[in-house]
Amino acid sequence: AQTVTQSQPEMSVQEAETVTLSCTYDTSENNYYLFWYKQPPSRQMILVIRQEAYKQQNATENRFSVNFQKAAKSFSLKISDSQLGDTAMYFCAFYAGNNRKLIWGLGTSLAVNP
Amino acid sequence: GAVVSQHPSRVICKSGTSVKIECRSLDFQATTMFWYRQFPKKSLMLMATSNEGSKATYEQGVEKDKFLINHASLTLSTLTVTSAHPEDSSFYICSAREMVAKNIQYFGAGTRLSVL
Repeated sequence: AQTVTQSQPEMSVQEAETVTLSCTYDTSENNYYLFWYKQPPSRQMILVIRQEAYKQQNATENRFSVNFQKAAKSFSLKISDSQLGDTAMYFCAFYAGNNRKLIWGLGTSLAVNP
Repeated sequence: GAVVSQHPSRVICKSGTSVKIECRSLDFQATTMFWYRQFPKKSLMLMATSNEGSKATYEQGVEKDKFLINHASLTLSTLTVTSAHPEDSSFYICSAREMVAKNIQYFGAGTRLSVL
């Protein structure tokens, strides 16, 4: 079965600093997609970044970047220059075409402190 | 980015009544929509997957007669909670998968249901 594990239930970081959220997954598929979603206090789920497994290059979106280690089945999210608005729950998710639905991690609650 | 509109954002109803929640993809077509339930400080729990023009596929343990899902068009899916009870009180979120980039799901803002 495909699983997604986020081992850090809560994290905090000072404003302007860098933080890394970890995510590991388990699958026997070779072609799949990985996502990080953000859910701020408003509870609107927002796509932060997406990685295609067949691409070796790590995805980057402004201050957000990932460290994708396919062999280790690891997909961490790095947030640079943290801002107060980054305070949110962050969910790692996995998708493979055979399953046709997102598999979710339990989330990491990130607090950015002023 | 793609926008998914979900209404209402908040609903309070009496026990025994039915409540309908709408989910619309505003600027894209979605052959597949998803309905989730989320408990406080928890991850999303998939309830069902709906495909336009066909019956929804429910996850194990979800009562299909209680949570009626209709996906009549490429831009609209509805979830009806029938004969609601206090234990149905929760946060419900819909999501739509874009046809072109089929692996990306966009989410509505959620509906807070409170059953008295």
